[in-house]
Amino acid sequence: DTAVSQTPKYLVTQMGNDKSIKCEQNLGHDTMYWYKQDSKKFLKIMFSYNNKELIINETVPNRFSPKSPDKAHLNLHINSLELGDSAVYFCASSPPGLAKETQYFGPGTRLLVL
Amino acid sequence: QKEVEQDPGPLSVPEGAIVSLNCTYSNSAFQYFMWYRQYSRKGPELLMYTYSSGNKEDGRFTAQVDKSSKYISLFIRDSQPSDSATYLCAMSVHGNQFYFGTGTSLTVIP
Repeated sequence: DTAVSQTPKYLVTQMGNDKSIKCEQNLGHDTMYWYKQDSKKFLKIMFSYNNKELIINETVPNRFSPKSPDKAHLNLHINSLELGDSAVYFCASSPPGLAKETQYFGPGTRLLVL
Repeated sequence: QKEVEQDPGPLSVPEGAIVSLNCTYSNSAFQYFMWYRQYSRKGPELLMYTYSSGNKEDGRFTAQVDKSSKYISLFIRDSQPSDSATYLCAMSVHGNQFYFGTGTSLTVIP
């Protein structure tokens, strides 16, 4: 009964490759997010989708492209991976209305680019 | 200047101590204030959520917001070894974009 799940948990790949990370939530939430957490634990928002529509797109290289096929899924595709992309990527979701500030995070995908 | 500043620690306390964790911020428009706990190799989990100024208590945890000083705190009473984690503060203006602190690493020694 995992609330927010991500696959894969670990991803080791070579520079220049293209990879995707998938996220699914079974909480019935409307809004989903992608965050990047660097080695110093700094958590920075990358994208936010509400009902499949992009609402936040922070200053992220256009090699990163999110896709939301439906409300329950938000995937992240990364082209031409670079060493600096190595980080932990977290997916999160939040409910609509007054509780939208309460975000639920997935377990993270640890990406290592060699 | 970062939107949210948080002392990364590490902070080490004996079991039973009162722990005080703090964040300062620069954007006076922030209205929503959250504290998350993140265990090693896990995703952050929401501990406390406060709207505007004031205090909120939940068990051993108390969150305080002082908007006039742009300062928020999380107090943990009777700290336990299971409280050992990284604590992240987060803030939002409207609730759809969140700014996180860098996290404070806490170790509670039995």
